[in-house]
Amino acid sequence: NAGVTQTPKFQVLKTGQSMTLQCAQDMNHNSMYWYRQDPGMGLRLIYYSASEGTTDKGEVPNGYNVSRLNKREFSLRLESAAPSQTSVYFCASSEGPGPSYEQYFGPGTRLTVT
Amino acid sequence: AQTVTQSQPEMSVQEAETVTLSCTYDTSESDYYLFWYKQPPSRQMILVIRQEAYKQQNATENRFSVNFQKAAKSFSLKISDSQLGDAAMYFCAYRSRLSGSARQLTFGSGTQLTVLP
Repeated sequence: NAGVTQTPKFQVLKTGQSMTLQCAQDMNHNSMYWYRQDPGMGLRLIYYSASEGTTDKGEVPNGYNVSRLNKREFSLRLESAAPSQTSVYFCASSEGPGPSYEQYFGPGTRLTVT
Repeated sequence: AQTVTQSQPEMSVQEAETVTLSCTYDTSESDYYLFWYKQPPSRQMILVIRQEAYKQQNATENRFSVNFQKAAKSFSLKISDSQLGDAAMYFCAYRSRLSGSARQLTFGSGTQLTVLP
């Protein structure tokens, strides 16, 4: 099994450009998450989807939108990229939304906004 | 809001020795989960160990064990018989059991562990 996959692995954007980060999981998980990791910090939750058809804001949602395309896929969109969005982005999934379910993480996307 | 603090940005240990990574957290809740995640240079986040706050017994997973002190809000990770493959950034994380807020993992800033041959 591939687990959680993310594309692209690296991306450089200019300020104001838009892009979509893709995430897919093949574990038949119900819940999916997007995090960002800035230097010297732990991961912070941007958005999550507890189940197909639902999305909710996390700790740092400003400047982002998400789409739960189907049970497998959860995309993160930057409509107008800003240098403050330079970060490493991680997608994760879990069988359910509660804390007893382990979250499985993708390999991350390193995004640089110049 | 919950906070998680890891006061050791870097630690090193000799191969085959034991090392303890520290973590403290702040919460007003009584029921929650605590986690240690490992992030090797590949960047993949891997769950190392999990502790449920209502369980008094400390969790263990092979060479990894925790010292959970609920009253002190302390959750340290002990790695025994350290191996070169243990070298990584280690993150402590908190998650509430309450509904509504139960989706959010709160992470500490991490401890970079170096294993010396």
